[in-house]
Amino acid sequence: DGGITQSPKYLFRKEGQNVTLSCEQNLNHDAMYWYRQDPGQGLRLIYYSQIVNDFQKGDIAEGYSVSREKKESFPLTVTSAQKNPTAFYLCASHRGGEYNSPLHFGNGTRLTVT
Amino acid sequence: RKEVEQDPGPFNVPEGATVAFNCTYSNSASQSFFWYRQDCRKEPKLLMSVYSSGNEDGRFTAQLNRASQYISLLIRDSKLSDSATYLCVVKRRYSGGGADGLTFGKGTHLIIQP
Repeated sequence: DGGITQSPKYLFRKEGQNVTLSCEQNLNHDAMYWYRQDPGQGLRLIYYSQIVNDFQKGDIAEGYSVSREKKESFPLTVTSAQKNPTAFYLCASHRGGEYNSPLHFGNGTRLTVT
Repeated sequence: RKEVEQDPGPFNVPEGATVAFNCTYSNSASQSFFWYRQDCRKEPKLLMSVYSSGNEDGRFTAQLNRASQYISLLIRDSKLSDSATYLCVVKRRYSGGGADGLTFGKGTHLIIQP
């Protein structure tokens, strides 16, 4: 079955450490996204990529970095510069260029930094 | 006015009742509309796209009112399992140049009571 896989599901890190969250999709989607969700809050866009080797900052990109070396993969690195990294991180994808194609989400990574 | 607004609720509804909630959007260039369901501590999952003429999927009916710029979701014969947060997503037509056209509402929390 096609889908989006995020790993790990739960991640614990010490403050000051960088950490990379994995996102892989086999849906052959061009566009991929990273969102952050805090308790009781909506989704906030961190980074997105419409095509391989290209990505754009979202609303809250500070303290994060991404790469898009392969169509299937869009890893997110949470750096030590991110002030409040503890959150639920969601990766999503959709067919680029089709405005009515819905987003498909991975099952999320819950990051806790202490 | 926020770009996409939803009543956060919670809506407390007895099992078997009909419940409806709206999502208003401010950008008249919005082209695509979706309802997602999100269970506690899980990823959002697509419930249904919203088509201009309105559409139905079992107990769920979605409608679009372009003149008043809102979409609605109606749930008939509500079940305990319908308890969740319902997110609306509004998408502008992708215009190229890296512009992301997706905006999420913060969600409406629905609780179906036995």
